[in-house]
Amino acid sequence: DAGVTQSPTHLIKTRGQHVTLRCSPISGHKSVSWYQQVLGQGPQFIFQYYEKEERGRGNFPDRFSARQFPNYSSELNVNALLLGDSALYLCASSLRASGGADNEQFFGPGTRLTVL
Amino acid sequence: AQSVTQLDSQVPVFEEAPVELRCNYSSSVSVYLFWYVQYPNQGLQLLLKYLSGSTLVESINGFEAEFNKSQTSFHLRKPSVHISDTAEYFCAVTKSGSNYKLTFGKGTLLTVNP
Repeated sequence: DAGVTQSPTHLIKTRGQHVTLRCSPISGHKSVSWYQQVLGQGPQFIFQYYEKEERGRGNFPDRFSARQFPNYSSELNVNALLLGDSALYLCASSLRASGGADNEQFFGPGTRLTVL
Repeated sequence: AQSVTQLDSQVPVFEEAPVELRCNYSSSVSVYLFWYVQYPNQGLQLLLKYLSGSTLVESINGFEAEFNKSQTSFHLRKPSVHISDTAEYFCAVTKSGSNYKLTFGKGTLLTVNP
């Protein structure tokens, strides 16, 4: 079975541009979460989506937005890119929004975004 | 809100030596605790987790961690490391029953030398 997939693998943008990152969850998983991992730091929670609705949001500006589609895949959008947005963006999927010993989050390989 | 402190940013050890990676957390509510491993240019893989029950949890590749509520710690140990254990290790916490909004520490780079 395929794990969590993310595209693209790498991306280079310039300041002020817009970017869209994509994530496909494991088959059967209905929850997708996004994390930002800046070099040398641990991942930081950005969003969680479940059944196409936002269920949680981290401390990120409104330039960051996301959505989930009927097939449970998800997009993360970042507007007006800043140099500080350069990071590895990780997507994680799980069966449900919360709870349960079986509700483990599985992470994708990430998208490396470089803002010049 | 929860927070995680990983006390060591880098831990170099020799092959077959024991290792301990330290993790302390802060939370006003009961928590779930996790250790994730990240190999170069890869995503995160769950190593082990504490949700409830026995405070000592083990992974299939020889790592173990013990939940200590009084010391708010969840240290990761392995009695004998291999070169292949070289990776970044992240401790993470979330509110019990939540399981999605993980708060991570800054990571500990474990380097195993021959």
